[in-house]
Amino acid sequence: DAGVIQSPRHEVTEMGQEVTLRCKPISGHNSLFWYRQTMMRGLELLIYFNNNVPIDDSGMPEDRFSAKMPNASFSTLKIQPSEPRDSAVYFCASSFFWDSRRPQETQYFGPGTRLLVL
Amino acid sequence: AQSVAQPEDQVNVAEGNPLTVKCTYSVSGNPYLFWYVQYPNRGLQFLLKYITGDNLVKGSYGFEAEFNKSQTSFHLKKPSALVSDSALYFCAVRGTDKLIFGTGTRLQVFP
Repeated sequence: DAGVIQSPRHEVTEMGQEVTLRCKPISGHNSLFWYRQTMMRGLELLIYFNNNVPIDDSGMPEDRFSAKMPNASFSTLKIQPSEPRDSAVYFCASSFFWDSRRPQETQYFGPGTRLLVL
Repeated sequence: AQSVAQPEDQVNVAEGNPLTVKCTYSVSGNPYLFWYVQYPNRGLQFLLKYITGDNLVKGSYGFEAEFNKSQTSFHLKKPSALVSDSALYFCAVRGTDKLIFGTGTRLQVFP
């Protein structure tokens, strides 16, 4: 059965360009997460959605970053304009409903998008 | 505040020997603990979790983890390491609404 699907797997762009990362969560999962991984900062949660609604976006670094989830099977993370310091691996993850009353839920990660901004 | 610590950046072990990757945690309330593995150029793969019950949790690929409440630890173990186990391992604890990850431990298994 398909896991979390992300595209593209690799993206190389120039500073100032718009970048769009895409994610398809596991079918049936209600929650979707966007993470960023860098050597310096490790894994950082950027934003997460429950039932397509953004719940916590406190990790989004700045206004250049935006995320949407128009339906249960698709989400995008957009960076506009991109900067070299945005270079990182971006992961999408999904789970069943993520809530403090359900601490046993497990997040399942996609393969990631490796972004390089020149 | 909830946190996890992985005190070792790297662990080296010979193939066939037992391995341990250490993790300690700090939480208020009941701990919900997870281990993930990341192979090169791959996403994080879920290995196992502790929610409640037996202190020894069995997971994927022959891994297990021992929950120790008095030592606030959740060490990952495997009786006999394989070269293919070489990867980056992350411990995580469930926070109020987030998974809080450790900094990762690189496991290197030598033939």
